[in-house]
Amino acid sequence: GENVEQHPSTLSVQEGDSAVIKCTYSDSASNYFPWYKQELGKRPQLIIDIRSNVGEKKDQRIAVTLNKTAKHFSLHITETQPEDSAVYFCAVRKEYGNKLVFGAGTILRVKS
Amino acid sequence: ETGVTQTPRHLVMGMTNKKSLKCEQHLGHNAMYWYKQSAKKPLELMFVYNFKEQTENNSVPSRFSPECPNSSHLFLHLHTLQPEDSALYLCASSQGRSGSYNSPLHFGNGTRLTVT
Repeated sequence: GENVEQHPSTLSVQEGDSAVIKCTYSDSASNYFPWYKQELGKRPQLIIDIRSNVGEKKDQRIAVTLNKTAKHFSLHITETQPEDSAVYFCAVRKEYGNKLVFGAGTILRVKS
Repeated sequence: ETGVTQTPRHLVMGMTNKKSLKCEQHLGHNAMYWYKQSAKKPLELMFVYNFKEQTENNSVPSRFSPECPNSSHLFLHLHTLQPEDSALYLCASSQGRSGSYNSPLHFGNGTRLTVT
């Protein structure tokens, strides 16, 4: 089955700096790659996603890059703010499948 | 209002109890999911229902029994659980295979389960 590895497990950055979280996956048939943000005591929420026919997608301060050959994708947050502090999960899914496999999560702390 | 509502928010039960978790979605989705979230572990997929039919059982012990009477409601029946089953149980829904290509999951707020 699919195996998703996420790094780092914790990340501390100074307010205003950038944060990068990386995920690798094993199944080359996977072609949908979302990122979820989970604040303390709240539900995971989709923040950005990318499909395999695209190499990069950007939404304001958040961007995701995908390297299908190397089977890895990354979340980039620029100009970090304290409210970006949360747990971030990457996930992977095959075409038209229902099974979304998650990474272990990254605890991001933005220090002001 | 998240679109996916779970009850109860918190549940404490003994190992011999029987209880049920409830999930309801108001998004018109066709697929519903149960995930288990334990500390320092990835979100673990437990069950998937697509148009009320179970399409995925991720080797979940029989003490967890799902029920999906229609596309809007999903239950997780719990019986003779173990302390290691204590976790946050998250329900989610999505458009499903017949809907939008690779539609995202929408999660509920979860039920925090403690087994004593």
